[in-house]
Amino acid sequence: DGGITQSPKYLFRKEGQNVTLSCEQNLNHDAMYWYRQDPGQGLRLIYYSQIVNDFQKGDIAEGYSVSREKKESFPLTVTSAQKNPTAFYLCASSKGQGSSYNEQFFGPGTRLTVL
Amino acid sequence: QKEVEQNSGPLSVPEGAIASLNCTYSDRVSQSFFWYRQYSGKSPELIMSIYSNGDKEDGRFTAQLNKASQYVSLLIRDSQPSDSATYLCAVLTLNTGTASKLTFGTGTRLQVTL
Repeated sequence: DGGITQSPKYLFRKEGQNVTLSCEQNLNHDAMYWYRQDPGQGLRLIYYSQIVNDFQKGDIAEGYSVSREKKESFPLTVTSAQKNPTAFYLCASSKGQGSSYNEQFFGPGTRLTVL
Repeated sequence: QKEVEQNSGPLSVPEGAIASLNCTYSDRVSQSFFWYRQYSGKSPELIMSIYSNGDKEDGRFTAQLNKASQYVSLLIRDSQPSDSATYLCAVLTLNTGTASKLTFGTGTRLQVTL
């Protein structure tokens, strides 16, 4: 089955810790994205990658970092510099970035809580 | 002004009725429009895409787009309790020289009552 997997499903972080969220896709999609969802707010874009070894900041990149060493994988690190990291983190992918027919599909999400 | 606006609801409709969900957007050059369904605690699921003015039907779902009015809607016919969820409107804008941007509304919560 083709799809997007995220792990872990739930993650607890202590103050001052860095944590890494995993995102893997086997859809052969070129583009991948990380969003954050907070109650009462729309999804906000953290980072995106159009191709391997390339990524760009989204609207709220401060306190986050990513890598794209493989087409299938786009891990997100939440650093201690992120002041309010408790949120639902969603990874998405799409065939490409440049087409208007660019449907994005989401993984199941990781719920991060800061203790 | 929010880029994509939706009424947060809840929108309550009886089982078997038509649910009408609305979305307005501010960027006139937006080109693609999507509806996602999100159950509580779950991730968004793409249910409809629409790219040109008019109606697009898929089963019980109909998406309607009016670019002149900057308005997109989703109709759900014969609403079922399983349709109870939050519906997210998303708008894609292609930018010359930079990456395209998908902007989400905050969602409308739909409740289908027995």
